[in-house]
Amino acid sequence: DIQMTQSPSTLSASVGDRVTITCRASQSISSWLAWYQQKPGKAPKLLIYKASSLESGVPSRFSGSGSGTEFTLTISSLQPDDFATYYCQQYNSFWTFGQGTKVEIK
Amino acid sequence: EVQLVESGGGLVQPGGSLRLSCAASGFTFSSYEMNWVRQAPGKGLEWVSYISSSGSTIYYADSVKGRFTISRDNAKNSLYLQMNSLRAEDTAVYYCARGPIDSSESYFQHWGQGTLVTVSS
Repeated sequence: DIQMTQSPSTLSASVGDRVTITCRASQSISSWLAWYQQKPGKAPKLLIYKASSLESGVPSRFSGSGSGTEFTLTISSLQPDDFATYYCQQYNSFWTFGQGTKVEIK
Repeated sequence: EVQLVESGGGLVQPGGSLRLSCAASGFTFSSYEMNWVRQAPGKGLEWVSYISSSGSTIYYADSVKGRFTISRDNAKNSLYLQMNSLRAEDTAVYYCARGPIDSSESYFQHWGQGTLVTVSS
């Protein structure tokens, strides 16, 4: 099984900050990686697929990069609506999520 | 507009059964792969099961294999999850999730709002 490890688990930031979340896979997954945003009591929302492709309708301040085993999600300028929990997911071999990164207000 | 609406959750005793449904609308259901994903209270996301567009290919997470059965009825635009021999650790919100039209990709493009399953005596 492929394990996904996100860091940090919690991130405190201010509006306007540049935020980076890292996701590492236990083995190479090529670019088969997605990022989701989840707010309390709501379903996850797709942000990024194939490591760096922006889902339609997602603001351009979100970007993804990486391949192989190391990936990042970057929010270029954090907005009030971005305080949420973010999950990475590999879909190279079945499906596995990272444990999540909560972005909270500093 | 793509809509996925789960139903069938509730309180069930350990060892009991429950059948979840996911009603799809706003797209050609028979063309898309579907999944169930769950989230225990306060915890992260866990993939549960996958079914191909035709229903011919099915996968399960090891944690539910032999106890859960995924199925679909393309004529009724519906996805199902039959859950048997339920355990306390199956307590979670269960989401149905749709893949993209490009079947070479298998991320989860659209999600339902979820239905809560509580396994407790």
